[in-house]
Amino acid sequence: AQTVTQSQPEMSVQEAETVTLSCTYDTSESNYYLFWYKQPPSRQMILVIRQEAYKQQNATENRFSVNFQKAAKSFSLKISDSQLGDTAMYFCAFIDAYGNKLVFGAGTILRVKS
Amino acid sequence: DSGVTQTPKHLITATGQRVTLRCSPRSGDLSVYWYQQSLDQGLQFLIQYYNGEERAKGNILERFSAQQFPDLHSELNLSSLELGDSALYFCASSVGPQGLQYFGPGTRLTVT
Repeated sequence: AQTVTQSQPEMSVQEAETVTLSCTYDTSESNYYLFWYKQPPSRQMILVIRQEAYKQQNATENRFSVNFQKAAKSFSLKISDSQLGDTAMYFCAFIDAYGNKLVFGAGTILRVKS
Repeated sequence: DSGVTQTPKHLITATGQRVTLRCSPRSGDLSVYWYQQSLDQGLQFLIQYYNGEERAKGNILERFSAQQFPDLHSELNLSSLELGDSALYFCASSVGPQGLQYFGPGTRLTVT
């Protein structure tokens, strides 16, 4: 069974600075997808970024980028120029290429301070 | 706005009762997924329907059931409710049997 581990329950960062959230996963599959979801106080689940395991290039979406290390089964999220609106719970999630269910980590609460 | 709608937004009910949560997927999406987010269990997959048929089952209790109707909306039925069923229930949808899942705003269920 696949598992996703987020070892940082809470993090804080100053506005305009950079922060990195960690995620590791365990799978025997070779083809899969990884995601970071943001859950602000509104509780909506918002897709931040996704990575296909067969792509070596790290995904980037504006201020959000990932460091995908397939051999190490690591998938960290870097947020640059942090903004107050980035304050949220962030979930790392995994799905294999033929799977139906997203497997989520426990989440990291990120607080951006002014 | 993901295009996935869920009703109601909030539901408060008593132990032993039965409730129905409703989800309408994005236009064109054939798959509907249900997830439960609770404080002690985190986010867990419950069940998936694809074009009216059950496709995958996760950690769904026997007291819970779901279905997808011909118009592709889905309902999650929770019966004999217990305090531990209090949670945020998300619906997500995707175009095919696999694929990028778009989440609805969730239904917050409180069992008293």
